[in-house]
Amino acid sequence: DAKTTQPNSMESNEEEPVHLPCNHSTISGTDYIHWYRQLPSQGPEYVIHGLTSNVNNRMASLAIAEDRKSSTLILHRATLRDAAVYYCILRDLTAGTASKLTFGTGTRLQVTL
Amino acid sequence: NAGVTQTPKFQVLKTGQSMTLQCAQDMNHNSMYWYRQDPGMGLRLIYYSASEGTTDKGEVPNGYNVSRLNKREFSLRLESAAPSQTSVYFCASRLGTPPLHFGNGTRLTVT
Repeated sequence: DAKTTQPNSMESNEEEPVHLPCNHSTISGTDYIHWYRQLPSQGPEYVIHGLTSNVNNRMASLAIAEDRKSSTLILHRATLRDAAVYYCILRDLTAGTASKLTFGTGTRLQVTL
Repeated sequence: NAGVTQTPKFQVLKTGQSMTLQCAQDMNHNSMYWYRQDPGMGLRLIYYSASEGTTDKGEVPNGYNVSRLNKREFSLRLESAAPSQTSVYFCASRLGTPPLHFGNGTRLTVT
């Protein structure tokens, strides 16, 4: 399975944009890039996913490099409620419902006033 | 619409005791998963079930068994609990495409 690499932690000021990087140099052509986040004492929640093109939703934007070897989750205006661990994971489209969805250790985002 | 429900929320076991963690989802999802999360660590996949009637091992299956009782329910059993199994256990489900929906976890301590 292709692996992802993320920084252990990042800090941001409230109401400023945050760019969370993820490297996946061994990504295959059929791997989707998924982002989840885990708030304190909760289960992870879905944030966004994409294959090749940049994606936007109400929570965040996902910027995918042209060679797909890296991606960046963008929080446009961080708030204190965005303080969480952010996970970047890959899912092989061809595996269908049998795909394992393996999580790494993620990036712990701290947001300060 | 409760989503993914896990019971119990907390449990303390003595070494060698057995127990079953229950998970149920009401979203008609095909796939269900069990993960464990140790303090300060990411999630590790224990077992998953791609569809009713099938189960497969994940990264850390030793010491666990699972049952996909029906489409709604996926239980995780510890036959003889060990202190190394002290963790937070998360159940998750999905239809076949994103997103993965998680429960709020079961916090298990084995003394």
